[in-house]
Amino acid sequence: RKEVEQDPGPFNVPEGATVAFNCTYSNSASQSFFWYRQDCRKEPKLLMSVYSSGNEDGRFTAQLNRASQYISLLIRDSKLSDSATYLCVVNMIGISGGYNKLIFGAGTRLAVHP
Amino acid sequence: ETGVTQTPRHLVMGMTNKKSLKCEQHLGHNAMYWYKQSAKKPLELMFVYSLEERVENNSVPSRFSPECPNSSHLFLHLHTLQPEDSALYLCASSEAGTGNTIYFGEGSWLTVV
Repeated sequence: RKEVEQDPGPFNVPEGATVAFNCTYSNSASQSFFWYRQDCRKEPKLLMSVYSSGNEDGRFTAQLNRASQYISLLIRDSKLSDSATYLCVVNMIGISGGYNKLIFGAGTRLAVHP
Repeated sequence: ETGVTQTPRHLVMGMTNKKSLKCEQHLGHNAMYWYKQSAKKPLELMFVYSLEERVENNSVPSRFSPECPNSSHLFLHLHTLQPEDSALYLCASSEAGTGNTIYFGEGSWLTVV
């Protein structure tokens, strides 16, 4: 079983649509959670952290359900510039402690069209 | 402009060559990472250095050899690679300790012929 699983998509949506991505993770010891965005042939960039209480950043809302080991990202009022691959990421504490060990999902591709 | 700089951005090498990828971070961080991203696969963690000590080697073949001479620089030495090693190699840095944001460089595109 993959450590972090995502629907690869692509999700093709019109501008202004609301779209939701889901992600599940297998290791209950995961410590913290993130969504990264990766544009074509570019490096991943942090989009937002994900907290159990849920958090919002403008048009983006992230939710975490630790009991179900499930993470979600909601994008409202999609823009053309939102077209990218969205990576679900969990952070494990390193074996010897004291460092981050990010585990990435394979990503969900979003294409927003006019 | 990214605070993590990788060179070269593109590299083509033969299977018998020896080359190195270089990473430099200007963020004052003290942990550095190498990740590999192959086509249609998730990013895979290769190595982690924290406070200049290698703390994770994620079952990476010995044809990949990391070096961290100081907290700002990280190298990945490559020798006798295979075509399946062709991928995007991403360097990243963060503050040591857990829960700190990791910042990626733009990556080095490697093609092994």
